[in-house]
Parts: sequence; structure tokens; C-alpha cells
Amino acid sequence: QVQLQESGPGLVKPSGTLSLTCSVSGVSISSFYWHWIRQPPGRGLEWLGYIYDNERTMYNPSLKSRVSISVDTSKNEFSLNLNSVTAADTAVYYCARERRTGGGFVRYFQNWGQGTLVNVSS
Amino acid sequence: QSELTQPPSVSGAPGQRVTISCTGSDSNIGAGFDVHWYQQVPGTAPKLLIYANSNRPSGVPDRFSGSKSGASASLAITGLQTEDEADYYCHSYDGSLSGSYVFGTGTKVTVL
Repeated sequence: QVQLQESGPGLVKPSGTLSLTCSVSGVSISSFYWHWIRQPPGRGLEWLGYIYDNERTMYNPSLKSRVSISVDTSKNEFSLNLNSVTAADTAVYYCARERRTGGGFVRYFQNWGQGTLVNVSS
Repeated sequence: QSELTQPPSVSGAPGQRVTISCTGSDSNIGAGFDVHWYQQVPGTAPKLLIYANSNRPSGVPDRFSGSKSGASASLAITGLQTEDEADYYCHSYDGSLSGSYVFGTGTKVTVL
């Protein structure tokens, strides 16, 4: 059974860096595509980016200059860094595993972490 | 970043049928990328409800069904139950220049 669990500070100061980790169990992190998705309070879902094959990344164009995702295969976990944060980055952050089939035309999030709330405030 | 458009809310009495639309564009749903649906009970993480337009993961009741036509998709709930009250999001991939994963704007389903 695949399980994901987010962890990290619940409070980050404006202009600082938001850092979160997603611990994965039940499957090797060296396989599949691993994503970060966020949801501001009372609002919808926003895709942030993914990492694949331990080093190949893709990011949301609107955040590309501020976001980075990395993997630690020894711990079977992956991480999110978002720098220069503002109050607009306050959200519940989810990690998720993608399943991809159909020659790339079928891409969905099969497993999700429970989410962690990060507040950006001084 | 483009989004997929959903109605903000739909409602129905127990036992009724409700549908949620999801409208995309030629760079995502219309380009042939499949649509997936997630159910989110307030305070919890989204849960995969429908994948690849019309497929249900194990454990999802068959009162949930999905379809896709052109650049749009829809989710139907037949025999509405009180536990179906939640937010529902569609999702697809956008194959435009930058490439991106896009979500619908979300629909709140209320059971009257």
C-alpha cells in the first residue's frame, strides 16, 4: 500500500523559504512521477511541479523561478523548496504520486498525502 | 496557466441525479488528454474518483460515472447520498508550450 506523508514548518516568514518533505512508503521513489500541489484556504488546487527519475523536473510556469523539487533516494523521500514567499503562498501543501499511461495522454494523481498547512506570516 | 471551468455549485435531493461539467480547451482536454475527477471532503485530501475519463478505482461506488466529449467532460452522480456532499475537481494535462497540469475551478455538491 502506497502512503505519502508531508512534513515541515507550519509557519514561514515573508521573504523566507518554504521547505517541505514528503516521505514515501510502499514503493520505490526511483519510479513514478512525484508531485507537489497546493490549496490556499477556501480555494482550488494548484499544481506546483514534479520530479521523475530522481532528477528530471517540471514546474508550474507561474512559479518556475521560485520553486525547486529534489529527491533523497536513501530516505525514499522528496522535497519542495519555495523561496521569496509572501502571504499568497499560505496554503495546504500536498504531495502526490502520478500514474501515467496511454502514451502520456493519461496522467492522474493516484495517491495523495494528507496535506500540511503552511502559513506565511511575520 | 489555463484552468478548467466548472460550475461553482450543484445541489440535489437524496436519490436524485446531478451532473458536473468541466470545460477545457484545444490545448488540454480538446488535445486528447484524458480527464480525471477527485472528491474532496472538507478538511481532507482529494481522493481519486474517476480516472481516464470514465474509469472508477477499486472501492468507488458505481453511482459515480464520467464521460468526455470534445474539449469537455462531465461527472454524474446518480442516487445522490448525503455522504456525497463534498467538493469535486476535474483535472487534465495541458500540452501547450510550457506544459502543465491543470485543475478545474471546483464544484461544491450540496445534498438538500
